[in-house]
Amino acid sequence: EAGVAQSPRYKIIEKRQSVAFWCNPISGHATLYWYQQILGQGPKLLIQFQNNGVVDDSQLPKDRFSAERLKGVDSTLKIQPAKLEDSAVYLCASSLFSGQIYEQYFGPGTRLTVT
Amino acid sequence: GNSVTQMEGPVTLSEEAFLTINCTYTATGYPSLFWYVQYPGEGLQLLLKATKADDKGSNKGFEATYRKETTSFHLEKGSVQVSDSAVYFCALSDLLTGGGNKLTFGTGTQLKVEL
Repeated sequence: EAGVAQSPRYKIIEKRQSVAFWCNPISGHATLYWYQQILGQGPKLLIQFQNNGVVDDSQLPKDRFSAERLKGVDSTLKIQPAKLEDSAVYLCASSLFSGQIYEQYFGPGTRLTVT
Repeated sequence: GNSVTQMEGPVTLSEEAFLTINCTYTATGYPSLFWYVQYPGEGLQLLLKATKADDKGSNKGFEATYRKETTSFHLEKGSVQVSDSAVYFCALSDLLTGGGNKLTFGTGTQLKVEL
């Protein structure tokens, strides 16, 4: 079974530029998550989709971050304009209900450096 | 709100030493608890899980027991190998009304195993 795919793996941009990340979840996983992982910290949830609807975006900085999952499969996360503090690894995950819980499976991440 | 506290790293051990990484949590209700592992340059992988008090999760020689009375989920392994060198994250999970779950992560503990 193929895992969660993300691209690009690395991106370097200047502040105030825009950037987009792509994620393709595991086939059949209805729930998709985007996390931000700053160096030395645990991942922080930015947004969660159930099919193509948003379940939780309470920690998404909506003035500069946006995300969509139009067909309920793959998803795009965008930052516009980027700030220095956006330098982080952006992780995508998808989940399946297994037994009593949802198990989240993570992609390799996109490492963003803003200069 | 929910939170997870892990012991700070790095933890440096010799091969075949005993490992304990402490994790305590604060949560309302009865969350599920997880340990994830992150190898260099990779995304997070689910290592083990426990869904209710006194459950023991185990995988690849690692174990952790869900202790409700001490709100803890300490990770242990009897004999570590160099290949276990990675960052370990403790996390708790809340089910969301709209589907899926919300993971709250600790800050991670880096483990270095030397020959």
